[in-house]
Amino acid sequence: DGGITQSPKYLFRKEGQNVTLSCEQNLNHDAMYWYRQDPGQGLRLIYYSQIVNDFQKGDIAEGYSVSREKKESFPLTVTSAQKNPTAFYLCASSKTGYTGELFFGEGSRLTVL
Amino acid sequence: DQQVKQNSPSLSVQEGRISILNCDYTNSMFDYFLWYKKYPAEGPTFLISISSIKDKNEDGRFTVFLNKSAKHLSLHIVPSQPGDSAVYFCAASEVGEYGNKLVFGAGTILRVKS
Repeated sequence: DGGITQSPKYLFRKEGQNVTLSCEQNLNHDAMYWYRQDPGQGLRLIYYSQIVNDFQKGDIAEGYSVSREKKESFPLTVTSAQKNPTAFYLCASSKTGYTGELFFGEGSRLTVL
Repeated sequence: DQQVKQNSPSLSVQEGRISILNCDYTNSMFDYFLWYKKYPAEGPTFLISISSIKDKNEDGRFTVFLNKSAKHLSLHIVPSQPGDSAVYFCAASEVGEYGNKLVFGAGTILRVKS
């Protein structure tokens, strides 16, 4: 079945550690996105990528990094510079040029201890 | 500065009645609007959308209305069912230099009571 797979579903990390969240899609979509969800704040865009080897900062990119070496993969690294990393992270993809419908993964919940 | 606002954090409706979820936006450059439904610990799923050139789009029990002059859209669910209980996000699409991206509202929790 086509879809988006995020892993791990739950992740705990100590303060000061970097952690990488995986996102893989087999929908043959060109565009991929990372959003963060916090209670009462909806989904906020961290980074997005329209094509391989290119990505752009979203609204809250500070403390995060991404790479897009393959069309299917868009991993997100939460660095120690992110001040408040505990959140629910959502990866999504879409067809390039499409007006907006995104397909989401099931999310990864990161908790910093 | 929130460009997409859902001012009602929650809504409770009796089964069989109409649910109306509201959304306001500030950016007149948004050209496409979408509603997503989300269950706990899952990713959002697309529900229905509307282009800025239309004022209504209907899909089964779900209808979205767009009032461009008021920068307001609403989602109507008729009749409401217990399975509709979820968080509903309003989103707006903007095409920029690097492609399109969605801006989401904070969400409205809908509870349908049986």
